[in-house]
Amino acid sequence: AQSVTQLGSHVSVSEGALVLLRCNYSSSVPPYLFWYVQYPNQGLQLLLKYTSAATLVKGINGFEAEFKKSETSFHLTKPSAHMSDAAEYFCAVSSQGAQKLVFGQGTRLTINP
Amino acid sequence: DAGVTQSPTHLIKTRGQQVTLRCSPKSGHDTVSWYQQALGQGPQFIFQYYEEEERQRGNFPDRFSGHQFPNYSSELNVNALLLGDSALYLCASSAGSSYNEQFFGPGTRLTVL
Repeated sequence: AQSVTQLGSHVSVSEGALVLLRCNYSSSVPPYLFWYVQYPNQGLQLLLKYTSAATLVKGINGFEAEFKKSETSFHLTKPSAHMSDAAEYFCAVSSQGAQKLVFGQGTRLTINP
Repeated sequence: DAGVTQSPTHLIKTRGQQVTLRCSPKSGHDTVSWYQQALGQGPQFIFQYYEEEERQRGNFPDRFSGHQFPNYSSELNVNALLLGDSALYLCASSAGSSYNEQFFGPGTRLTVL
């Protein structure tokens, strides 16, 4: 079985500060890992994905994540937060060929002016 | 490209009733997955349809059923509604041969009274 744990249900940072959202996964097979963002009253938008290629993955809107197998982590970072980054962020895992996504509980990111 | 579309946007039902939600996949996609997102939670996988058959199913009771049509659109049916079925229902589409990238629709908000 696969699972995802997102550490911190709510993260608050100042505009211009570093954003770090934590995700740890559990998987018995090589994982595919994803970060999605959800704005209020909207569906999920893919930020970035890891599919067994480069361990440092760059996504949209200046976000990136690093796959660390030894730590079973896939933390999301952005060097400088912008007010428009305020949203709910979800980490998800799947196994190759399965396509079923297993999501974490989500982290609400608040940006302080 | 219209992306993934879902209808209706909002729906209010009473306990014991039945509901049908609809999804049209992104152009070129042949696989449709359904997820339930309760308030404050991450999405939970319900099932996935490919070539008009249920390919995978999550841990949901038989009250949840689906269908996929020859044009790849899909329906989610829920019978004997319970208060706990109140949630945002998300449809996601993907290409059957892809490496699991799923595109999500805006969702249908179901309220059961």
